[in-house]
Order: sequence, then structure tokens, then C-alpha cells
Amino acid sequence: DAGITQSPRYKITETGRQVTLMCHQTWSHSYMFWYRQDLGHGLRLIYYSAAADITDKGEVPDGYVVSRSKTENFPLTLESATRSQTSVYFCASRTGLDTEAFFGQGTRLTVV
Amino acid sequence: GQNIDQPTEMTATEGAIVQINCTYQTSGFNGLFWYQQHAGEAPTFLSYNVLDGLEEKGRFSSFLSRSKGYSYLLLKELQMKDSASYLCAVRLTGAGSYQLTFGKGTKLSVIP
Repeated sequence: DAGITQSPRYKITETGRQVTLMCHQTWSHSYMFWYRQDLGHGLRLIYYSAAADITDKGEVPDGYVVSRSKTENFPLTLESATRSQTSVYFCASRTGLDTEAFFGQGTRLTVV
Repeated sequence: GQNIDQPTEMTATEGAIVQINCTYQTSGFNGLFWYQQHAGEAPTFLSYNVLDGLEEKGRFSSFLSRSKGYSYLLLKELQMKDSASYLCAVRLTGAGSYQLTFGKGTKLSVIP
């Protein structure tokens, strides 16, 4: 299917475990982003990528790792999950800086 | 730091007009996006303003004043399906131009 997809849609994990959230887009967009959305905070940028093998930190990067070996994939890894990382995570992509961002359907992560 | 303010909640009547304001104080400015987000879903693009003035798109219009650091989204002929959160997002300049910095969103409830 064309578009941007995230997996899994829902995940429950234990404190201290490593978790990877997947993001895949079929448009070959250059720019990809990971946001988390929490009540009272809105969408906050975790990491972004301007192209394959180019990534940079956003507003709240601590505890997260990203990679982008292929243009279409942008996985987000929580190295050792904490309860404060319980959130809804959105992946997004854009073709250019003046264009809209398209969002995946989100991953609801609960850390217990 | 970057500051983007929106009202937290608004209520309006079906068939009416509602204006959702967004003010921003940022270190640079390249444009402002508006997104709609229904509960439990991903944000979807509504509009993008770069220059001062009003952009009209069907029932939705968006206005920008760069000198005042102010934008609004105008929704006409409100329908029940317009009940959603509305997010404004600023594209910054320089190194931040890749990203979108979001306000916390305005939750709009449309009542019969």
C-alpha cells in the first residue's frame, strides 16, 4: 500500500526492555520525523532525518536512537524503556521543506 | 526557546463560524501549518501560510500576520465531523527549517 505505515499499532512493554518502533514510507520522501504526543504537551520532535544516513536530534531525544540506512525506513529504538516514555508515537515524512508532512497512524506505547 | 500558543479548548454550534487563534514567538519563521487531528487518529494537513494574508480552501480559511506573530484558522458552516483538535505548527529558519514545531493544539467540540 502506498503511504506511510507504522508498526506495531499498540505495544506494551516492561521497564528496561529495548523496543523498536517501525516506520515505512513508499513515496521516497527525503525527510522523515519521529514525534511523541502527550496530553498537555502536544507533538514534540524526537529525531529527524534529511536523507539516508543523515539524522539529527529534535527537542526530546534522550533515551531514543534512530537509524536510516534506507530512504523508506526510519526505525525508532527505545534502548531501555522507562514509564515516562509511555506515549503515542507518530512518524511523518515530507518531500521538501515547504511541503506538508504526512503522518503515520501512530503507535501507542505503554511501558509498565 | 520557541513559544506557540493556542487556546486549549473551544466549543461552537453546528452551522456556525469559529476562529481558532495561534500566536507564536520563535527565533525564526518560514511559514505556518494547520493540521486537523481527530481523536485516536493521525494529524492531517489543512493549510500552509508563508506570506501575510488569507488563504481560503472551501469551508476552511487560514490567515497569517508575520509582523504580529499571529495566525488563525476559520471554519465556516460547522459540521459535527469538525469536532477534532486543531494544531498549528511553525517552520523555523536555519538548522530548524527541517522541522515543524507544534503548538499544544485546540480541541474543538461542535454541538448540535
